Amino acid sequence: QSVLTQPPSVSGAPGQRVTISCTGSSSNIGATYDVHWYQQLPGTAPQLLIYGNNIRPSGVPDRFSGSKSGTSASLAITGLQAEDEADYYCQSYDTSLSGSVFGGGTKVTVL
Amino acid sequence: QVQLQASGPGLVKPSETLSLTCTVSGVPITNFYWGWIRQPPGKGLEWIAYIYYSESTNYNPSLKSRVTISVDTSKNQISLNLSSVTAADTAVYYCARVLGYCSGGSCYGRFDPWGQGILVSVSS
Repeated sequence: QSVLTQPPSVSGAPGQRVTISCTGSSSNIGATYDVHWYQQLPGTAPQLLIYGNNIRPSGVPDRFSGSKSGTSASLAITGLQAEDEADYYCQSYDTSLSGSVFGGGTKVTVL
Repeated sequence: QVQLQASGPGLVKPSETLSLTCTVSGVPITNFYWGWIRQPPGKGLEWIAYIYYSESTNYNPSLKSRVTISVDTSKNQISLNLSSVTAADTAVYYCARVLGYCSGGSCYGRFDPWGQGILVSVSS
């Protein structure tokens, strides 16, 4: 049971927009701690996709965007492409744990 | 360019100690906080620990009694020891740099970059 809750899977056709939610609580996202997102392609290590709720590192396409409100955050992928098939994880800080917490991950499938 | 390479045995017997090393290149480890994260096969990510070169550390409470993390600044390496392992400790273990605000062992930032990961299986 992950501290941050994500849907196990989402899917969309090429070109469509999909969103992934990340729901926390008052001890993490709701406590104004930043949310970060990672993309994990099959068989590889996670890579930073979004940090500070909505900032894209250099090299990340602008098809990826992040937002945060209250105790939740979201990752949106617009113009879905086949290469976006991967697992996506959210991460934040939790005061109860005094450390980092991750969501359970969401598998994105391109139909 | 910062690169991280985890190394260690891929098989550990139950009740023994898992020992891994992460070798960092491209930046002195004294400049940043570093973390260990693990991922059981087919499952999600779990934060294990943070460390700063001054030996400021912070451990996941669920693992704290069994985990020790340390640094060797002369070799630019971070080490992880996990004692009394069971099959539940079978996972890919990643080391990663922490970017963002850290203080007194607690880090509020993100992990970037990650090492390639090393699969450690616990089995007799």
